[in-house]
Amino acid sequence: NAGVTQTPKFQVLKTGQSMTLQCAQDMNHNSMYWYRQDPGMGLRLIYYSASEGTTDKGEVPNGYNVSRLNKREFSLRLESAAPSQTSVYFCASSDRATNEKLFFGSGTQLSVL
Amino acid sequence: DAKTTQPPSMDCAEGRAANLPCNHSTISGNEYVYWYRQIHSQGPQYIIHGLKNNETNEMASLIITEDRKSSTLILPHATLRDTAVYYCIVRTSGTYKYIFGTGTRLKVLA
Repeated sequence: NAGVTQTPKFQVLKTGQSMTLQCAQDMNHNSMYWYRQDPGMGLRLIYYSASEGTTDKGEVPNGYNVSRLNKREFSLRLESAAPSQTSVYFCASSDRATNEKLFFGSGTQLSVL
Repeated sequence: DAKTTQPPSMDCAEGRAANLPCNHSTISGNEYVYWYRQIHSQGPQYIIHGLKNNETNEMASLIITEDRKSSTLILPHATLRDTAVYYCIVRTSGTYKYIFGTGTRLKVLA
């Protein structure tokens, strides 16, 4: 049972490049989330998906897009990366069946040069 | 969502109880209190949550004041492996907008 899997683990981009961070969960959870964590800071919510087919903005959505591809997968896209998007990105999932406890992936370290 | 306030850092001697406070003075009746911790740069890990009553599990105890305006996470016998950042979060039932604050950096001292 893998839980929440994020790919890639590390990525270096040049300013203006685009990329998609992938997230998949195998716990049959309804809700999924994307957070970013800057050095020495707490986590900030980018987008979340309460259920398949729905997505909503979090605290810091600008510069990002998301797709809830199916119940298992929730991707985060950077259309034109900027140095300010250098961060560690965490994906998480939750479900009412487990009292909406968040289960996190191991993170993606993204550097934008 | 109610905001939470936590001290930025705390120290605790190994083997002693660690008591981490959280203020959530604007909490509403249908808002739960959740605690997570983050060790190094790993993804945060769930610890415990509660609504009104005190709760205990294998990891910790959660004490919520009667007016629900504050809570305390208790690690009964802290070990060096409990050194982490601890986050207190308030979440409205039926919503999914989990907002993390800056947390408390707990250092357990040998």
